[in-house]
Amino acid sequence: ETGVTQTPRHLVMGMTNKKSLKCEQHLGHNAMYWYKQSAKKPLELMFVYSLEERVENNSVPSRFSPECPNSSHLFLHLHTLQPEDSALYLCASSQDRSGAGGELFFGEGSRLTVL
Amino acid sequence: GQNIDQPTEMTATEGAIVQINCTYQTSGFNGLFWYQQHAGEAPTFLSYNVLDGLEEKGRFSSFLSRSKGYSYLLLKELQMKDSASYLCAVRGNTDKLIFGTGTRLQVFP
Repeated sequence: ETGVTQTPRHLVMGMTNKKSLKCEQHLGHNAMYWYKQSAKKPLELMFVYSLEERVENNSVPSRFSPECPNSSHLFLHLHTLQPEDSALYLCASSQDRSGAGGELFFGEGSRLTVL
Repeated sequence: GQNIDQPTEMTATEGAIVQINCTYQTSGFNGLFWYQQHAGEAPTFLSYNVLDGLEEKGRFSSFLSRSKGYSYLLLKELQMKDSASYLCAVRGNTDKLIFGTGTRLQVFP
């Protein structure tokens, strides 16, 4: 238990569906992140939120839309995805964006399959 | 460009010692991290190096040479539960963590 909870753990959706991934952290951290993990590829940073403000958008297609209503919750809204978007989506949090160490705490991920 | 290199797969025997290497080329350097990820689970923090030298934490140690752009993770007295992927990540000038592809370690009895 890392203190970061993601739901759902598994999601199958068609290309025309709209779905959302949810992340909640119970660590009192100020920064939250979405990463994409594909087979045999490095973890790719998608979005960074610091104190509920988006501070990083790593050239992610607009079919992925993040939302951070407060410092404990992070969503990733999905719309008209492509099969190549199938991957494990990891949420993470840290005390702040660039503190000493800056260790990330990851959730267990949401495994997304786009048909 | 920015690049993190580590071997894709390694195998070792229970009770042995294994060293997982990581080389990096990044824009600036503000620390190197090692994470462990068991299949189907969250990556978990193992170690952080920002100065040259060896950091020891129980059976795991991590080494850093900034001049060589090189780190290794040393696992001693291997156990079956150490079978996992080990991710090397570097924080560059922009504070973003840049990850390698990970090294999948299999420990055999």
